Amino acid sequence: DQQVKQNSPSLSVQEGRISILNCDYTNSMFDYFLWYKKYPAEGPTFLISISSIKDKNEDGRFTVFLNKSAKHLSLHIVPSQPGDSAVYFCAGNQGGKLIFGQGTELSVKP
Amino acid sequence: DAMVIQNPRYQVTQFGKPVTLSCSQTLNHNVMYWYQQKSSQAPKLLFHYYDKDFNNEADTPDNFQSRRPNTSFCFLDIRSPGLGDAAMYLCATSSGDRERETQYFGPGTRLLVL
Repeated sequence: DQQVKQNSPSLSVQEGRISILNCDYTNSMFDYFLWYKKYPAEGPTFLISISSIKDKNEDGRFTVFLNKSAKHLSLHIVPSQPGDSAVYFCAGNQGGKLIFGQGTELSVKP
Repeated sequence: DAMVIQNPRYQVTQFGKPVTLSCSQTLNHNVMYWYQQKSSQAPKLLFHYYDKDFNNEADTPDNFQSRRPNTSFCFLDIRSPGLGDAAMYLCATSSGDRERETQYFGPGTRLLVL
């Protein structure tokens, strides 16, 4: 039973345009969601998070949106840069334990 | 810089030969985690320590053990590695705020089993 799903394994975007990465979850007990970014041969790096009591959190070029009724969250990157090319994981937190999605590989082309 | 360090970055072992992966942290965090990640899959939590309290996931095989001798260090022992244990092993830490848990990851150790 996969509690967190990222249905798009890959996404390709032109530099300067918006990247939208999507994540769906089934566990209504998640109280906090996080996005991590992972480059090859490195560990995941924390990017941005959102509490379940909010519907939006913004940090520079990165914005996370949460739709609790749809059990859906998305990460927007505007404008996208080639250095954003990486694998992005969303995760839900329940009682200190993170459940990760499978990741979406973002490729930003110059 | 405060960080999570994993050694070695790459480990090759033989089928059935015990192997130990290490993790250290300078963040002084209470909680340390071990994850297994196979290609194109989500990181999967194996177990974690909250201070000295060990918490095993229900589906973690007995072949995997862990030790945390002090706050800074945590070890993953694989007693008899099989071919299916080849994966990236990620160590992470967090402060222990269970409601706003941000975990900080090390670079990982890639394990190859021959």
